[in-house]
Amino acid sequence: GAGVSQSPSNKVTEKGKDVELRCDPISGHTALYWYRQRLGQGLEFLIYFQGNSAPDKSGLPSDRFSAERTGESVSTLTIQRTQQEDSAVYLCASSLGEGSSYEQYFGPGTRLTVT
Amino acid sequence: GNSVTQMEGPVTLSEEAFLTINCTYTATGYPSLFWYVQYPGEGLQLLLKATKADDKGSNKGFEATYRKETTSFHLEKGSVQVSDSAVYFCALSANTGRRALTFGSGTRLQVQP
Repeated sequence: GAGVSQSPSNKVTEKGKDVELRCDPISGHTALYWYRQRLGQGLEFLIYFQGNSAPDKSGLPSDRFSAERTGESVSTLTIQRTQQEDSAVYLCASSLGEGSSYEQYFGPGTRLTVT
Repeated sequence: GNSVTQMEGPVTLSEEAFLTINCTYTATGYPSLFWYVQYPGEGLQLLLKATKADDKGSNKGFEATYRKETTSFHLEKGSVQVSDSAVYFCALSANTGRRALTFGSGTRLQVQP
């Protein structure tokens, strides 16, 4: 079946502009995660959605970052007034439920370059 | 907070060599431990996992044992192939509270024929 998809695959933007990144999770997956991967580094957690619960936003690096999820479907990550340090690959993952017994399936990522 | 430390790469091996990639962690309680792999041009995939102490995760010839006493989860393979060339990430997930993964920085493996 279809995996996690993300769009766009690449985004180049000028410093100060807003960007919106999209994630389509696997159908039926209630949990959705956003991570950021800077060059040569591991993934950093950004935000987590689980069903209708309030999202865990504890990983968002600043108030320029926000995310929404419509029910148990698509999610968008918005970065306002982008800065060069926002350049990274943004990865989305989904899983059937909460907890380590549920494998997280990752999308291919969106490579964001802020010039 | 939780953290994962893994050996820096790149690790360069000849085909059929033995592989070890070290991973140690810091966490409260008893986390679950994972190895993820990212092949060139592909997304992250779960390679193996272990959810409690002394568990051994295994897949595709790779193994890792959850060692609570040394807080380690080293990845091993007895005979690597060129097709194993990839970036390997060690990760943990707390079993309470936030279930997001905490990743190490990744280790690039290059296997030469």
